[in-house]
Amino acid sequence: AQKITQTQPGMFVQEKEAVTLDCTYDTSDPSYGLFWYKQPSSGEMIFLIYQGSYDQQNATEGRYSLNFQKARKSANLVISASQLGDSAMYFCAMGNSNSGYALNFGKGTSLLVTP
Amino acid sequence: DADVTQTPRNRITKTGKRIMLECSQTKGHDRMYWYRQDPGLGLRLIYYSFDVKDINKGEISDGYSVSRQAQAKFSLSLESAIPNQTALYFCATSDFPGVAGGPSYNEQFFGPGTRLTVL
Repeated sequence: AQKITQTQPGMFVQEKEAVTLDCTYDTSDPSYGLFWYKQPSSGEMIFLIYQGSYDQQNATEGRYSLNFQKARKSANLVISASQLGDSAMYFCAMGNSNSGYALNFGKGTSLLVTP
Repeated sequence: DADVTQTPRNRITKTGKRIMLECSQTKGHDRMYWYRQDPGLGLRLIYYSFDVKDINKGEISDGYSVSRQAQAKFSLSLESAIPNQTALYFCATSDFPGVAGGPSYNEQFFGPGTRLTVL
């Protein structure tokens, strides 16, 4: 069975600083995709970044980067130069063919960016 | 206009009532999903559909049913609502995933969510 673990229920970071949100996963499938979504207080799910299990390089999207350590089964999200608008819930998720390509989500990390 | 829409956006209903949540998409995707979000539990899969003839149960399908009326429409029904079905419900779509583990694999696009309260 697949499992996504986010061990940080809540995080604080000061504006303009970098922050790392942890995510570990467990799967026996060699082919999978890892995703990070942002959910602001308004409730919508916003796609941030994707990492494929076969990707050799860590994914980056603007201020977001994914620190992918395959052997350790971790896929941490790094947000550089935090902004007040980054305050939100962040979810790590994994999908593969065994799950019908549906996503299996972690419980999320609440990030608060302070001035 | 939004690519994935959900109606209603908010609904309050009573225990025992039948309720339908609707999802429509204009992205042309074959795959559609229904998730439920409870506080502190993240999102959990209820049902998913690969096309109009292919519907599959997810992790928490008990008490729910779905209908894929067309490629663009996927409805979720609560036959007899109960209070512990109070949650935020999301519909999502994705294209054929391509190579598993490869680029752009199975990105899912979410609707705005339906907040359901069962009294």
